[in-house]
Amino acid sequence: KNEVEQSPQNLTAQEGEFITINCSYSVGISALHWLQQHPGGGIVSLFMLSSGKKKHGRLIATINIQEKHSSLHITASHPRDSAVYICAVGPGSARQLTFGSGTQLTVLP
Amino acid sequence: DAGVIQSPRHEVTEMGQEVTLRCKPISGHNSLFWYRQTMMRGLELLIYFNNNVPIDDSGMPEDRFSAKMPNASFSTLKIQPSEPRDSAVYFCASSPLAGWGNEQFFGPGTRLTVL
Repeated sequence: KNEVEQSPQNLTAQEGEFITINCSYSVGISALHWLQQHPGGGIVSLFMLSSGKKKHGRLIATINIQEKHSSLHITASHPRDSAVYICAVGPGSARQLTFGSGTQLTVLP
Repeated sequence: DAGVIQSPRHEVTEMGQEVTLRCKPISGHNSLFWYRQTMMRGLELLIYFNNNVPIDDSGMPEDRFSAKMPNASFSTLKIQPSEPRDSAVYFCASSPLAGWGNEQFFGPGTRLTVL
């Protein structure tokens, strides 16, 4: 099974700071998802990546297939960005799908 | 659109009882996914359907779990008999395209407690 490591596990930032969350995996994948889980428990799919870079508003996600690494960046962070960010990687089957343990982000006003 | 709808939002039951969780995907979406989240194991994909057909159930933990999708607007996840270790939040998600590697829209989840 794919091993997925996220770093950092916890991150506290001041409003306005640039934030980076990292995800590394051990074997080849077909796709990588970044998910955001709000304090109330709801989950939002932020990005699906198989190569390159995607941008949505203040969020940017990149993936380097050769290095087996993805990053999620948040520019001009805001307290409403406070959430758990989870990466998930899939080579194919549901059994092989692996989720990272999540990064708890807290953005202080 | 109302988004993905799950019911019930909370369920408390006793060990040995049958539990049925329900999901209504977003209209027009072709894929539906059932996930489970616990503190110990985090998020896990249990099963997913494409065009109402189960494509991959390799994440289903054991025979006590079963999932059906009788039509494009409804799916159920059943646990029979339930056990305390099944206590978790169960999420349903749908996607407009086939397969796991596309954007998914998550429901609010059903928090299951098995006593």
